[in-house]
Formats: sequence, C-alpha cells, structure tokens
Amino acid sequence: EAGVTQSPTHLIKTRGQQATLRCSPISGHTSVYWYQQALGLGLQFLLWYDEGEERNRGNFPPRFSGRQFPNYSSELNVNALELEDSALYLCASSMAPPGGGLFFGEGSRLTVL
Amino acid sequence: GQQVMQIPQYQHVQEGEDFTTYCNSSTTLSNIQWYKQRPGGHPVFLIQLVKSGEVKKQKRLTFQFGEAKKNSSLHITATQTTDVGTYFCAGPAAGNKLTFGGGTRVLVKP
Repeated sequence: EAGVTQSPTHLIKTRGQQATLRCSPISGHTSVYWYQQALGLGLQFLLWYDEGEERNRGNFPPRFSGRQFPNYSSELNVNALELEDSALYLCASSMAPPGGGLFFGEGSRLTVL
Repeated sequence: GQQVMQIPQYQHVQEGEDFTTYCNSSTTLSNIQWYKQRPGGHPVFLIQLVKSGEVKKQKRLTFQFGEAKKNSSLHITATQTTDVGTYFCAGPAAGNKLTFGGGTRVLVKP
C-alpha cells in the first residue's frame, strides 16, 4: 500500500514568488494535515483538511493557504514568499477523526533565496 | 493555547545505556502520541496512549501516560545506534490540532 506522497521533493524560489506543494494521502484517509518544520526545529501546525473542507489552521498568516480536492489530495500554497518560509513542509494523513496517529510523507523542502 | 514541552532537548547516550525523555502538556490530553524522526527523514508514528496511567511496550521502548493525562514518558533500554533520531510527543488540542512538543534529539555514542 502506498504511503503519503508529496511533490516536489525540493523547491527553490525567490522572495515574493509563490510556491505550491502537493500531497496525496494514504488510500482511505480523508484527513490531510500540513506542518512546517524549520531546520532543526519542531513541527508547527499549519492546516487541517477533511472531506474537502478546511477544519482548522495554525498561527500562520493568510498567505499560507490550501485546499483539498474530491479525491482527498491536497495542495498548500504560499504566496509572497519570505526568507523565513524556508523549511520542510510535511503532509500527513489519517482516518477521520484521527485516532491511531498521523502518517507523514517525506516532505517538500522549500528554499527561499 | 495548549503547549507541549519535552525535556531534555538533547540526549547523548552511551550505547547500551538506558535513558528517558519526558513530555508535559499545559492541558489535560485525551491521548498522547509519540513519533520518531530519523536524521533527514520524516516523523514516523510509534504509538498512542489513551488511558490514564497506561503503559505500553515496544521491544526496548516503554511508553507511559501519566495519571492526570498531562504528561508522558518514553524510556529506552540498552540504547542502540538505531535509536538515533528525534523523538516527538504530540497531543490533540481543540479542533483536532495535533500539537507537537519540541522533541528530544538522541545521539548515541558507540
């Protein structure tokens, strides 16, 4: 069974540009979570989608947004990129409601120059 | 808002020795989850504890949930080089937001 897949693996952008990251959850999982992990630091909650709806978001500015598609895949958009947006962006999926843990993808490393 | 804190931040362990990492939440948790992230990798779910005072074992790893459901611990016996990585605890906040602790980074000295 395929795990959570994310693309691209690496992405390099310059300040002010936009980045789009994509995530496909494990088959049968309807919830998708996005986390930001700056280098060497912990995981900061960004967004939670379930059944196509945004259910919760973390303390991030509105330029961080996303959506979930009917097939439960998701994308994260970051507008007006800033240097401090450089991080590993992790997508995770779970059954809804989550019980039994989140299953993470390998992440997309975004570098903003 | 809910805060989840882990200590120590770093743990240098001699191979073969035991160690414990601790997790404390500012609020009572419905459950606590533990994850391991190898260097350069992604977090991998290890276990979930739900009941007050619950203890679960996975080989050399022993997980405990406190009686008040506000703290948890992970104890590793006879540490091996394969135990290297960062161990995160996480607890659900309002709205199913899973809040992660800052992690304990474990380094093993052979």
